[in-house]
Amino acid sequence: EAGVVQSPRYKIIEKKQPVAFWCNPISGHNTLYWYLQNLGQGPELLIRYENEEAVDDSQLPKDRFSAERLKGVDSTLKIQPAELGDSAVYLCASSPRLGGGAAEQFFGPGTRLTVL
Amino acid sequence: GIQVEQSPPDLILQEGANSTLRCNFSDSVNNLQWFHQNPWGQLINLFYIPSGTKQNGRLSATTVATERYSLLYISSSQTTDSGVYFCAVNFGNEKLTFGTGTRLTIIP
Repeated sequence: EAGVVQSPRYKIIEKKQPVAFWCNPISGHNTLYWYLQNLGQGPELLIRYENEEAVDDSQLPKDRFSAERLKGVDSTLKIQPAELGDSAVYLCASSPRLGGGAAEQFFGPGTRLTVL
Repeated sequence: GIQVEQSPPDLILQEGANSTLRCNFSDSVNNLQWFHQNPWGQLINLFYIPSGTKQNGRLSATTVATERYSLLYISSSQTTDSGVYFCAVNFGNEKLTFGTGTRLTIIP
C-alpha cells in the first residue's frame, strides 16, 4: 500500500515569491492534515480536513497561507508571498476515519522549503 | 496548558546497548503515537499506543494513561536506530501535539 505522497521534496525560492505544496493521502483516508516543522522542534498542526471540509484552520496564518482539498482527496497548501521565516518542513498526514483525533496518523516525507 | 515532555533530550549509546525513552503528558489522551524521524526527515510510525503494552521486534512501548506517561524501549541498538524519536499525543482536540523529541545517536 502506497504511503502519503508529497511533492516537491525540496523547494528554494526568494522572499515575496509564491510557492505551493501538493499532497496525496493514503487511499481511503478521509482526514488530511498539514503540519509545519521548524528546525529542532516537533511538527505543529496548520490545518485539518475531513473530506473536503477544513474543520480546523485556527493555526493557519490566513494572511499569506491558503489550502484546498478539492474532491476530498489531494490537497494543496500555498504561501503567497513567502517570507524568510517560512523556511521549514511542511508535512502532510492522513488518517483513516472521520473525527480522526483518535485514529493513527501517517506522515508523508515532507517538503523542505528554503526562502532566501 | 497542554504539554508533552520527553526525556532525555539527547542520548548517545554504543551499538548493542539498550535504552528507555520517556514521554510525560499533562492530561488524559485519546491517542498516543511514537515516531522515529530518520536523518532524511521521514516520520516513521512505531506504535499507536493510547494505553497498554506493545512489542515490535527490538522495540516495545508501554503507556500508563492513569499516570500520564509512556515509555519506549529499544533493545540491542543498531546504527540505523539513530535519529529523533517523537512522542505525539491527542488530547481530544483532533490534532497531535508533539513532544520536543529525543535525539538518539548510536555509535558503531
